[in-house]
Amino acid sequence: NAGVMQNPRHLVRRRGQEARLRCSPMKGHSHVYWYRQLPEEGLKFMVYLQKENIIDESGMPKERFSAEFPKEGPSILRIQQVVRGDSAAYFCASSPTGAGWQTEAFFGQGTRLTVV
Amino acid sequence: DAKTTQPNSMESNEEEPVHLPCNHSTISGTDYIHWYRQLPSQGPEYVIHGLTSNVNNRMASLAIAEDRKSSTLILHRATLRDAAVYYCILRDAGDYKLSFGAGTTVTVRA
Repeated sequence: NAGVMQNPRHLVRRRGQEARLRCSPMKGHSHVYWYRQLPEEGLKFMVYLQKENIIDESGMPKERFSAEFPKEGPSILRIQQVVRGDSAAYFCASSPTGAGWQTEAFFGQGTRLTVV
Repeated sequence: DAKTTQPNSMESNEEEPVHLPCNHSTISGTDYIHWYRQLPSQGPEYVIHGLTSNVNNRMASLAIAEDRKSSTLILHRATLRDAAVYYCILRDAGDYKLSFGAGTTVTVRA
């Protein structure tokens, strides 16, 4: 049973380019979360999605960032016109349900974005 | 969000137990105590969680104070693979977010 799969593991983009990060949740999981870990900082929640719906995007920067989780295929975190400050590790997590106490979140190994 | 306080770092010798404290004096009645760890260059990994009673699983034990204002994660026999950042997180019963703090960096000496 494969875990949460993220690709690419490493991504280098020049300033102004677009970055697309993919996340395939664990089999049977319909809840996906994205977190960002800036250098020397803790992980911060970005967005929570269910299939075809954004439930909570309170942690997403207002501009240039978007996320989707289509009916078919992986969840995508898209960053347009990247800047150096976007350099970070982006982690995706999935869970079978969204409720808190009984739900363990399974994390992928992350995508490390470097903007040059 | 209710907050937690953890020491910045702890060191242990291989094969010895590790006790990681966490203070959460403002915990509410519906907050569960979750522990995750993050190995170098990896995503976070669930360790254990509990509400009031002590909990054991194959990875660790969680001891929760009677007043719930503090808890301790216990790794019974540390191995080199246990070197990681350990996060103590309070999560409301109905919440889906995990609020990560700085955690405790555990170093295991061979």
